Amino acid sequence: AQSVTQLDSHVSVSEGTPVLLRCNYSSSYSPSLFWYVQHPNKGLQLLLKYTSAATLVKGINGFEAEFKKSETSFHLTKPSAHMSDAAEYFCVVSSTDSWGKLQFGAGTQVVVTP
Amino acid sequence: NAGVMQNPRHLVRRRGQEARLRCSPMKGHSHVYWYRQLPEEGLKFMVYLQKENIIDESGMPKERFSAEFPKEGPSILRIQQVVRGDSAAYFCASSFSTGEGSYNEQFFGPGTRLTVL
Repeated sequence: AQSVTQLDSHVSVSEGTPVLLRCNYSSSYSPSLFWYVQHPNKGLQLLLKYTSAATLVKGINGFEAEFKKSETSFHLTKPSAHMSDAAEYFCVVSSTDSWGKLQFGAGTQVVVTP
Repeated sequence: NAGVMQNPRHLVRRRGQEARLRCSPMKGHSHVYWYRQLPEEGLKFMVYLQKENIIDESGMPKERFSAEFPKEGPSILRIQQVVRGDSAAYFCASSFSTGEGSYNEQFFGPGTRLTVL
């Protein structure tokens, strides 16, 4: 069984400052991990994914995440927030022992202030 | 290439009515997934379908909910005798294929927001 915990339900950052969204996972098997972003009234867009290759994963829009097995973490970062980054972010785990069922975290709402 | 299409985008029903949500996968995709997002929560898996087959319905409520993906036409999520607790956003996703132990990216539609009065 797998699960994912997003440690912050809301994060507020100033434009131009770094963003850190925290995610811890639990999985019985080697997990695949993802970050999705959801803008208001829109569908979900894949930001990046980890599938047992490089532990530092670069995604779209300047985001990256680091897989740390010892800490069971997959935190999402961006060096400099932009106003367009305001959205909800979901950390997601997919176990390779199944067909690829996705388990979503509860989400982190990001607010970017000028 | 159009993305995943869902309609309607917004649906209002009174308690006891039926709700039908439609999902057209991306061109070339034969795998469809339905998720439900309750307010202030993440998405919860409901059902995974391939053409004419239900592969995994472990997330579907036992009663009133059903899903299909016919040979022709969109996938349909059907909710009979809706109750207020069914109010949520329902998202559909599609993928090209899934191999055992591998992952194929799921592309999400914009969702249908169901409100039950």
